[in-house]
Amino acid sequence: QSALTQPAFVSGSPGQSISISCNGTSSDIGAYDYVSWYQQHPGKAPKVIIYDVSNRPSGVSNRFSGSKSGNTASLSISGLQSEDEADYYCCSYRRINRRVFGGGTKLTVL
Amino acid sequence: EVQLEESGGGLVHPGGSLRLSCAASGFTFSTYEMNWVRQAPGKGLEWVSYISSSGATIYYADSVQGRFTISRDNTKNSLFLQIDRLRGEDTAVYFCARGGEFGGFLAGPGTFDPWGQGTLVTVSS
Repeated sequence: QSALTQPAFVSGSPGQSISISCNGTSSDIGAYDYVSWYQQHPGKAPKVIIYDVSNRPSGVSNRFSGSKSGNTASLSISGLQSEDEADYYCCSYRRINRRVFGGGTKLTVL
Repeated sequence: EVQLEESGGGLVHPGGSLRLSCAASGFTFSTYEMNWVRQAPGKGLEWVSYISSSGATIYYADSVQGRFTISRDNTKNSLFLQIDRLRGEDTAVYFCARGGEFGGFLAGPGTFDPWGQGTLVTVSS
């Protein structure tokens, strides 16, 4: 099972906005609105920040937003803060009855 | 407070077996689907297995099909992962994760919330 494709590294300065892409196929991202995004700080468990493409759990900053177009999903972070520095993973439901993660993106806040 | 706590990890020889456990608390365990997700050292996340709330429906990633067995005991609020014929590439932190629910509504498949802190499985001779 090949993973979804994410850029390995992304960086931005405090206050800037960045976007992380997640490329899939017509069997996963393109077929279902079941994309989620996870933030993982070193040594910690992942935390969901976006679910079902663009929904944000209560307590997650509105600086985080998600979207999807065709086979590609995107996570956007506005007003970058130092605490946003972490690894980010996308995840999608894949036919049939599978779940697949992206390879992960390391975000550096300069 | 909703909590998941994994246990059972350790050092195992190639070809060996291990049974991981995940103790759930703070929610009605029997009404939620559960998953195992693993992360090799310095690597990304990999979905491993899914089990429905009743235990009647089970799915596995192709990479573990036939060697891993997921199960649950709803009377003991516990999730399990039996890992047989362990290989070096199975070395990872294994997380249990619940299906997501937000505002009283279940999220779609592939949403995991919350997660446990993980248990490390090391396969080495």
